[in-house]
Amino acid sequence: NAGVMQNPRHLVRRRGQEARLRCSPMKGHSHVYWYRQLPEEGLKFMVYLQKENIIDESGMPKERFSAEFPKEGPSILRIQQVVRGDSAAYFCASSPEEGYTFGSGTRLTVV
Amino acid sequence: RKEVEQDPGPFNVPEGATVAFNCTYSNSASQSFFWYRQDCRKEPKLLMSVYSSGNEDGRFTAQLNRASQYISLLIRDSKLSDSATYLCVVPRGSGYSTLTFGKGTMLLVSP
Repeated sequence: NAGVMQNPRHLVRRRGQEARLRCSPMKGHSHVYWYRQLPEEGLKFMVYLQKENIIDESGMPKERFSAEFPKEGPSILRIQQVVRGDSAAYFCASSPEEGYTFGSGTRLTVV
Repeated sequence: RKEVEQDPGPFNVPEGATVAFNCTYSNSASQSFFWYRQDCRKEPKLLMSVYSSGNEDGRFTAQLNRASQYISLLIRDSKLSDSATYLCVVPRGSGYSTLTFGKGTMLLVSP
C-alpha cells in the first residue's frame, strides 16, 4: 500500500525556468493538499484540490503558481519563472477523514 | 495573538526525562488539534490527534485547554529516538481540511 508519492525528490532550476512538482495521493484518497516549507519556517498551506476541482487556493501566491489535479494522473504544482525565494521544500498530503499523510516532499533549489 | 505559537527551543534533555511543550492558538472555532513530528529534512508525521480535554498514547500525553486556547504535549521517559521537531497544528477554519502549522519545538535527547 504505497503512501503519498512525490517526485522528483530534488529539483534544481535556474532563475526564470519552470518547475513542475508531482504528487500521487494514497490509494482511495481524492483530496490533495500542497504545503510549502521555507528554510527555518513552518509549513504554509498553499492549495487544496479534489479531482478536477480547486477547493481552496487561498494560500497560493497570486502570480507564477498554479495547481491542478486532473481526472487521470497525479496532481501537479507548477511554478513559472522561478526565483531564488521559491527555494523550499514542497510537501503534498492526502487525507482520509482527518489527519494528513504527507509525501516525502520535493526540495526545490533555484540557482 | 499569532495563529499558532510555539517555543522554538531547542529543549535539551537526558534520556529518561519528562519534557513538556506548549502551544497557543488564535482560532477559537477549532474543534480538533494535532501534534506532528518532523525529523530533519523529512516529512511531518502525525503523532497525536487532540479532542475535547486531551489524549494519551503510551509515553505521550496531549492536553487541551479551550478557555485559554492552549495545547500541550508531554513526553515521559524520553528516548534518543524522540529527538525531532514537534509541530503544533490547528485547523484554519471550523473544519479540519486545511491546517495551520506552528514553526515547531526542537527536542534533543542525549545519552
